[in-house]
Amino acid sequence: DAKTTQPNSMESNEEEPVHLPCNHSTISGTDYIHWYRQLPSQGPEYVIHGLTSNVNNRMASLAIAEDRKSSTLILHRATLRDAAVYYCIPAQGGSEKLVFGKGTKLTVNP
Amino acid sequence: GAVVSQHPSWVICKSGTSVKIECRSLDFQATTMFWYRQFPKQSLMLMATSNEGSKATYEQGVEKDKFLINHASLTLSTLTVTSAHPEDSSFYICSADARQGGYGYTFGSGTRLTVV
Repeated sequence: DAKTTQPNSMESNEEEPVHLPCNHSTISGTDYIHWYRQLPSQGPEYVIHGLTSNVNNRMASLAIAEDRKSSTLILHRATLRDAAVYYCIPAQGGSEKLVFGKGTKLTVNP
Repeated sequence: GAVVSQHPSWVICKSGTSVKIECRSLDFQATTMFWYRQFPKQSLMLMATSNEGSKATYEQGVEKDKFLINHASLTLSTLTVTSAHPEDSSFYICSADARQGGYGYTFGSGTRLTVV
């Protein structure tokens, strides 16, 4: 499993953009980059995933570096409900398990 | 779509008893489900991979005789914590592979187990 490095914590203000970085320098060529988030006392929630190209969905955008050794999850306008622990997880497309690192705890200030 | 229902959401049991946690995929079929455990202020730790109709695959260090996993149908996997002890108190979370429907891995809401 590729190792990941994420900041332990980040803070943002409500309605401002948030950029959550993740380093995954040992990622293999077939690993997808998954992002999940976990609100307190809940199971994780899928956010977004990508392989090489940048990806957008209704929740967030994922910017993947050209060498794929890092990626950034972008929340365009943070809300209080976005306060959670965000996990970046490289995983092979055919692999069936997700291995969670420590993640980044995002605090959103009103 | 791709909802996973986990039950119960919390349970308190006495030491030495067994507790069963259910994980159901409500609107899709899940050949593969996963069981995680999470201690306070820690990340999720994968315990085992549950495959419909076959034996579960346990991660290193997880006692298969203590954490019994059954995946008898495409919509239900169960985790039984046998002879529970206080150190088994934790937040247990199941997950199902819903990637075919474009939903990624879908997680249950978790079960808070307290062993007294």
